[in-house]
Amino acid sequence: AQKVTQAQTEISVVEKEDVTLDCVYETRDTTYYLFWYKQPPSGELVFLIRRNSFDEQNEISGRYSWNFQKSTSSFNFTITASQVVDSAVYFCALSRFSGAQKLVFGQGTRLTINP
Amino acid sequence: EAQVTQNPRYLITVTGKKLTVTCSQNMNHEYMSWYRQDPGLGLRQIYYSMNVEVTDKGDVPEGYKVSRKEKRNFPLILESPSPNQTSLYFCASSLSPNYEQYFGPGTRLTVT
Repeated sequence: AQKVTQAQTEISVVEKEDVTLDCVYETRDTTYYLFWYKQPPSGELVFLIRRNSFDEQNEISGRYSWNFQKSTSSFNFTITASQVVDSAVYFCALSRFSGAQKLVFGQGTRLTINP
Repeated sequence: EAQVTQNPRYLITVTGKKLTVTCSQNMNHEYMSWYRQDPGLGLRQIYYSMNVEVTDKGDVPEGYKVSRKEKRNFPLILESPSPNQTSLYFCASSLSPNYEQYFGPGTRLTVT
């Protein structure tokens, strides 16, 4: 069975600090996709990134970066120089390339950036 | 504008009174799904649909029904709601589960 664990329930940091959100997944599949979504206080769910299991290159997008390590089944998300607008709940998710077309989400990490 | 719409956005109902939450997308997506969001549990998939007339259970399907008679619509039906179905519900659509999901704005359901 597939599973996604976000062990950090809540994180609180001061603005401009760097912060890393952890995501650990379990799957027996060799091919799969990983995602991060953001849910700001307004409640909508916003897509951030999609990564397939064959691409272990780290990705950087502005202040956001993602570290995919297949060896440790982790897909961590780092925000550099955090800002108040980064305050949100962040979800990591996993899907299968074939078979039952489910999408499994982690429990989410609530990130609060204090001014 | 590409979007997923859900109605109603808020609903308070009583135990046992059948209800339907509608979901519609205008992106011609084949894959649609329903999730519920509960504190500490994240988003859990209720049902998904790969295409018209093709639906399957997610991780928490008990107490819910769905149908997919048209590509754009994917209603969620609670035939006899119970208080443990009080939750925030999201509908989503995409090309497939391996692509970005487009989420609706959410429906907050309270069952008393």
